[in-house]
Amino acid sequence: QSALTQPPSASGSPGQSVTISCTGTSSDVGDVGGYDYVSWYQQRPGKAPKLMIYEVTKRPSGVPDRFSGSKSGNTASLTVSGLQADDEADYYCSSYAGSNNYVFGTGTKVTVL
Amino acid sequence: EEQLVESGGGLVQPGGSLRLSCVASAFTFKTYWMNWVRQAPGKGLEWVANIKPDGSDKYYVDSVKGRFTISRDNAKNSLYLQMNSLGAEDTAVYYCARDRSWNYGAFDIWGQGRMVIVSS
Repeated sequence: QSALTQPPSASGSPGQSVTISCTGTSSDVGDVGGYDYVSWYQQRPGKAPKLMIYEVTKRPSGVPDRFSGSKSGNTASLTVSGLQADDEADYYCSSYAGSNNYVFGTGTKVTVL
Repeated sequence: EEQLVESGGGLVQPGGSLRLSCVASAFTFKTYWMNWVRQAPGKGLEWVANIKPDGSDKYYVDSVKGRFTISRDNAKNSLYLQMNSLGAEDTAVYYCARDRSWNYGAFDIWGQGRMVIVSS
């Protein structure tokens, strides 16, 4: 199973929006049995990942609504609106790939300018 | 507060074995699929294994099949990863993680991570 493709880096000024793409295949990001199981994680240096988005668009309790997810075909996206200094981190997408397999993205480093 | 606390890990020689443990608190451990995810130094995340709530089903990434064994003890709210025949490619931080979406890969609670270094 190949890793999902993400841009290595993304950046924006405070208050701006940044969108990160996550490209896979019809076997993972694309509908898997008719369901959407793409998640996004934020990881700060030396820390465990934090779930930011699951099932493409859902936010866990406590995650600001500045974080939103979407998907079109085999590409999912994470948008961070109203960028804040605290948003600077690595972001990883992941997808269920069927038959109890899970694939993560290559990761994107977000820099707040 | 719902949390996972890991223990174990460390330095091991190639071909050696290690066992990681992960203790859950403040949630009903026995109702969740549980996972191990690893991250090699400076690299991305890689799912390693998961186990059904009752322990009856277990799945592994191809690279660890036959070498790693995931298990759980619901009476002790504990998850384990027995790692045998370790190689340099297994050097990584290992995280235990809870799946909030049954077994569809929404890992919402993570342990703090334990470093495993395979080196002579």
